[in-house]
Amino acid sequence: SAVISQKPSRDICQRGTSLTIQCQVDSQVTMMFWYRQQPGQSLTLIATANQGSEATYESGFVIDKFPISRPNLTFSTLTVSNMSPEDSSIYLCSGGQGVDTGELFFGEGSRLTVL
Amino acid sequence: AQSVAQPEDQVNVAEGNPLTVKCTYSVSGNPYLFWYVQYPNRGLQFLLKYITGDNLVKGSYGFEAEFNKSQTSFHLKKPSALVSDSALYFCAVRDMGNSNYQLIWGAGTKLIIKP
Repeated sequence: SAVISQKPSRDICQRGTSLTIQCQVDSQVTMMFWYRQQPGQSLTLIATANQGSEATYESGFVIDKFPISRPNLTFSTLTVSNMSPEDSSIYLCSGGQGVDTGELFFGEGSRLTVL
Repeated sequence: AQSVAQPEDQVNVAEGNPLTVKCTYSVSGNPYLFWYVQYPNRGLQFLLKYITGDNLVKGSYGFEAEFNKSQTSFHLKKPSALVSDSALYFCAVRDMGNSNYQLIWGAGTKLIIKP
């Protein structure tokens, strides 16, 4: 198993600012993903974080708004740029070691509120 | 198209009674199936998975799930519910033939166990 730490755990941000969320894994993971979740709702995949290359974004998410870095197999960042109240959500980092099974480990999430 | 359905938004069970949380899926190939649990204000935790083999799989906290290929279902069960089982439960599926390792998530079912 892997333990994933995210920070910040929560933040209150002003409209128009940007915030970077950090995700640290205690062991190397093959796959890393960033999700968005409204409280009590399902997960929406933002992107797959690829080590050493550009992330792969899902429909509706773009690099200019959600730039992602993944410099190595244990660390990734997600930036939420030029925030608006619609970006208020929980952002979850996840990682997987079993490329053939899809079992994922999740961070505790970063709850962002944009005023 | 691939999809996961959790037909119940909420399931209420008395403590000590058996519980079932339903999940059906649709994939073009053979499925990998997962259950995750999310406790309030926490990230998701892996409960169990079906990859191949025995249709009845056992997981954490006394949960089990049965893969039924003909009904394309993977219902989560527990013989005797505990109040501490109250949480949000997500079913997820991955098509074995899909090389991008992404999971398709259900909408989630809120499980409430009453003392």
